[in-house]
Amino acid sequence: GENVEQHPSTLSVQEGDSAVIKCTYSDSASNYFPWYKQELGKRPQLIIDIRSNVGEKKDQRIAVTLNKTAKHFSLHITETQPEDSAVYFCAASASGGSYIPTFGRGTSLIVHP
Amino acid sequence: SQTIHQWPATLVQPVGSPLSLECTVEGTSNPNLYWYRQAAGRGLQLLFYSVGIGQISSEVPQNLSASRPQDRQFILSSKKLLLSDSGFYLCAWSRQTLGYTFGSGTRLTVV
Repeated sequence: GENVEQHPSTLSVQEGDSAVIKCTYSDSASNYFPWYKQELGKRPQLIIDIRSNVGEKKDQRIAVTLNKTAKHFSLHITETQPEDSAVYFCAASASGGSYIPTFGRGTSLIVHP
Repeated sequence: SQTIHQWPATLVQPVGSPLSLECTVEGTSNPNLYWYRQAAGRGLQLLFYSVGIGQISSEVPQNLSASRPQDRQFILSSKKLLLSDSGFYLCAWSRQTLGYTFGSGTRLTVV
């Protein structure tokens, strides 16, 4: 089955700095890679996703890159703000079938004002 | 648009008591449905998933069970709760080409 590794487990940055979270996956059949943000006590929410036919996707201060050859993808947050503080999860899955994403273990991002 | 409802939001139950958590999805048909547990910390542990009415797959052996009596209804149950069942329970739904949408979660404390 799929195995997703996520690093780092904790990331502390100063407001205005950039933050990068990296994930690797093992199953070459995976073709969909979402990222979720979970604020304390709340549900995880999809913030950005990328499909295997695209190498990069950007949405304002958030971007995701995918390297299918190396089987890794990353979340980039620029100009971080205190409200970016949360736990971020990456996931990998293959479309079709029961569609069960495999999640990374999460990264706790702390943005200091 | 699609919405997912999960209740209750919080629950305090004594050890040995039964449990029933309910999740319903609106605005879509034949969704894939999931129950996750998140213990203190961050990890999302998949408990059950369902691809159709009456079809339940279990990911881990445990004290819990799930049922899908209707297309858009998913229920998590236990006959006798254990202390270790405490956690944050999340229901989610998906379609093949879309990411997960999570419910608002139930924080269960077994005392």
